[in-house]
Amino acid sequence: QSALTQPASVSGSPGQSITISCTGANTDVGTFNLVSWYQQRPGKAPRLMIYDATERPSGVSNRFSGSKSGSTASLTISGLQAEDEADYYCCSYGGRFNLVFGGGTKLTVL
Amino acid sequence: EAQLVESGGGLVQPGKSLRLSCAASGFTFDDYAMHWVRQVPGKGLEWVAGISWNSGMKGYEDSLRGRFTISRDNTKNALYLQMNNLRLEDTALYYCAKDKYSSYDRGFMDVWGQGTLVTVSS
Repeated sequence: QSALTQPASVSGSPGQSITISCTGANTDVGTFNLVSWYQQRPGKAPRLMIYDATERPSGVSNRFSGSKSGSTASLTISGLQAEDEADYYCCSYGGRFNLVFGGGTKLTVL
Repeated sequence: EAQLVESGGGLVQPGKSLRLSCAASGFTFDDYAMHWVRQVPGKGLEWVAGISWNSGMKGYEDSLRGRFTISRDNTKNALYLQMNNLRLEDTALYYCAKDKYSSYDRGFMDVWGQGTLVTVSS
């Protein structure tokens, strides 16, 4: 199964908002709300930022929000901070008792 | 505090086998599904396999099915990944991750280990 499609990179200035998209298919993102987002800083393990497409785990800043429309899920980070610079990955249930990750997006805070 | 510690990685020749282990602590292990996720250095994340709380459901990345086997021992708070007939392309950092729920197919991995490196080379 093909990975979910994410932009390779996005950038923004401190204080701005950015959105990272994650495009799947009718068989995965389009059918299920089982989308999660992970932040990975260099040399570190991934961290869960969003689950169930829109839910935020305790301890995650409310500057992070998730949404979904059709076969595309999105992660929005508002009020960008230098510490947000990291790689971001989406993940979805693949529809056949499998999970699939996106290719990852490198966020640069200018 | 929930913690996961992987072990068992190392250098292995193509065609050989390796078993990874993940020791869990700080949470009720048998309440949650577990996953293995791998990452080639400098590349993206790839889901490898998942297992439900009671081992009743297991899932694999399609290309790994038949070579890799996920299992767990709830009496030992341990997760395992048996990897057979290893290939050069299996070289990666292997992470163990806990799911928020008892079924693995939601894929909400809220606790991660630091990973164990597997290098397949002759």
